[in-house]
Amino acid sequence: QKEVEQNSGPLSVPEGAIASLNCTYSDRGSQSFFWYRQYSGKSPELIMFIYSNGDKEDGRFTAQLNKASQYVSLLIRDSQPSDSATYLCAVNRGDYKLSFGAGTTVTVRA
Amino acid sequence: DADVTQTPRNRITKTGKRIMLECSQTKGHDRMYWYRQDPGLGLRLIYYSFDVKDINKGEISDGYSVSRQAQAKFSLSLESAIPNQTALYFCATSAAGEDYGYTFGSGTRLTVV
Repeated sequence: QKEVEQNSGPLSVPEGAIASLNCTYSDRGSQSFFWYRQYSGKSPELIMFIYSNGDKEDGRFTAQLNKASQYVSLLIRDSQPSDSATYLCAVNRGDYKLSFGAGTTVTVRA
Repeated sequence: DADVTQTPRNRITKTGKRIMLECSQTKGHDRMYWYRQDPGLGLRLIYYSFDVKDINKGEISDGYSVSRQAQAKFSLSLESAIPNQTALYFCATSAAGEDYGYTFGSGTRLTVV
């Protein structure tokens, strides 16, 4: 079982819709969770981090964490063409090394 | 200037050659990491260093070595490059005592022919 799993996509959503990305992790002791956005050929860019169960909102982005289910998600509201990218879920098991999922590719169609 | 700078940006090398990828940072972070990214596999940790005297292997260290020359500099070497080391390589940094994720360099695209 991979440490961090994501649906590879591609996930295609119309402009203005909500994009929902999911991530599961295997280590129940994981402490912090991150979402990175990566445009093609570019480096990952941190967009959200979450430590506690529940929701965390930042602009059009909402991260949701459920430690009991070992599940973290990212919602992108009012999706824009500029949101078209690959989204990487990353997990810190408490040792300050991040384990990454393979990423979900999102395409926002105009 | 970028906070985390990687050189070179692109490199084509031949099988069996030794190559060094360099990373320098102006963030003042103690922790530095080298990852490689392959399509469908995500980012995998090669080596990491939590301070100048601390070097640790990651999940895929075979065929690689590193040097932490200073707090700000962390180099990755491929002693004898092979084609399956063709990948996108990223250096990343993070601050000791904080858990706000990584800052990534712009990456080095390495092709071994």
